[in-house]
Amino acid sequence: NAGVTQTPKFQVLKTGQSMTLQCAQDMNHNSMYWYRQDPGMGLRLIYYSASEGTTDKGEVPNGYNVSRLNKREFSLRLESAAPSQTSVYFCASNERGGQETQYFGPGTRLLVL
Amino acid sequence: AQSVTQLGSHVSVSEGALVLLRCNYSSSVPPYLFWYVQYPNQGLQLLLKYTSAATLVKGINGFEAEFKKSETSFHLTKPSAHMSDAAEYFCAVSVHSGYALNFGKGTSLLVTP
Repeated sequence: NAGVTQTPKFQVLKTGQSMTLQCAQDMNHNSMYWYRQDPGMGLRLIYYSASEGTTDKGEVPNGYNVSRLNKREFSLRLESAAPSQTSVYFCASNERGGQETQYFGPGTRLLVL
Repeated sequence: AQSVTQLGSHVSVSEGALVLLRCNYSSSVPPYLFWYVQYPNQGLQLLLKYTSAATLVKGINGFEAEFKKSETSFHLTKPSAHMSDAAEYFCAVSVHSGYALNFGKGTSLLVTP
């Protein structure tokens, strides 16, 4: 099992460009999450999908959209990238809800110039 | 809403010394508490979790944490630090009815020879 995979590993964008970060899990998990990690801020939840067909905003959703394509895949889209979105983005998944361990992908480093 | 506070953004210990990383939580309902570790340029990996069973929780790599309701704490300890323990450590809190995992800002552990 690969666990949680993310593509790309690294990306450089110019302000105003768009891109989609891809995430897939092979653990048959119901719930999937997108976080961003910034120095000194810990991880902050952008969006999550409790189950296939549902998505909800997290703490910092502005400037992002998500799609739960199927049970395996959960993508994060930046429609018009801004320098403030320079960050490391992590996807995670778990069986369901709060008490279950979340499994993290290796991350995508995004630099917006 | 639930939250955690990690005391000390950087902790330095000598190899073989006790490791103590502090985490205090705030939650109006019984919490689930987690410690995750992040090695450089990697995703997060679960060290241990508390889900209302035993208050002393043992995790991987010799780490353990004790849930103390009266002190609203969930400090992480290891009797003897190894060089390989150098990493970023995150405390996180969740609740049964929710999905969001709220992270502390992290503590960077440095182990010196």
